[in-house]
Amino acid sequence: DGGITQSPKYLFRKEGQNVTLSCEQNLNHDAMYWYRQDPGQGLRLIYYSQIVNDFQKGDIAEGYSVSREKKESFPLTVTSAQKNPTAFYLCASSIRGLAGGPGSETQYFGPGTRLLVL
Amino acid sequence: KNEVEQSPQNLTAQEGEFITINCSYSVGISALHWLQQHPGGGIVSLFMLSSGKKKHGRLIATINIQEKHSSLHITASHPRDSAVYICAAFAYNTDKLIFGTGTRLQVFP
Repeated sequence: DGGITQSPKYLFRKEGQNVTLSCEQNLNHDAMYWYRQDPGQGLRLIYYSQIVNDFQKGDIAEGYSVSREKKESFPLTVTSAQKNPTAFYLCASSIRGLAGGPGSETQYFGPGTRLLVL
Repeated sequence: KNEVEQSPQNLTAQEGEFITINCSYSVGISALHWLQQHPGGGIVSLFMLSSGKKKHGRLIATINIQEKHSSLHITASHPRDSAVYICAAFAYNTDKLIFGTGTRLQVFP
């Protein structure tokens, strides 16, 4: 089955700790995205990548880092600089990416990772 | 004021009712998305449209570019339609996708 997987489903972070959220897709999509969802707010874009070895900051990139070494994988690291990391994190992908900005085509979402701070 | 506004925020219905969820936006767009988020958190893309109307099963999405308004309709609603429905506008001057805060729908048997 083709799709997007995210792991873990729940993640706990201690103060001052970096944690990495995994996102893998086997849809052969070029573009991948990370979103953050907070209660009562719309999704906000953290980072996106339109092609391997390239990525761009979204609206709320501070305190986060990403890499895109493989087409299938787009891990997100929540660093200790992110002071309010508790949220639901969603990864998504789309076919082309380079055809337009993030939102110019249908995106396929993973099941999400809920990050909690201890 | 948010650039993408949805109404209502919460909606309850009896099984079989016709449902309408509204989305208004204040930016120029080249596409509008409707998404469905299930209680577990996973999101499914329902529609992407830039004009007119699209239909998939019991779901219908319409958009009026001049009025900057889109609607999502569900015919013959069912408890399995219970979810949060999110609209997102792709703003052409910023190449950004702006999300609404969602409409929580509960359909009771």
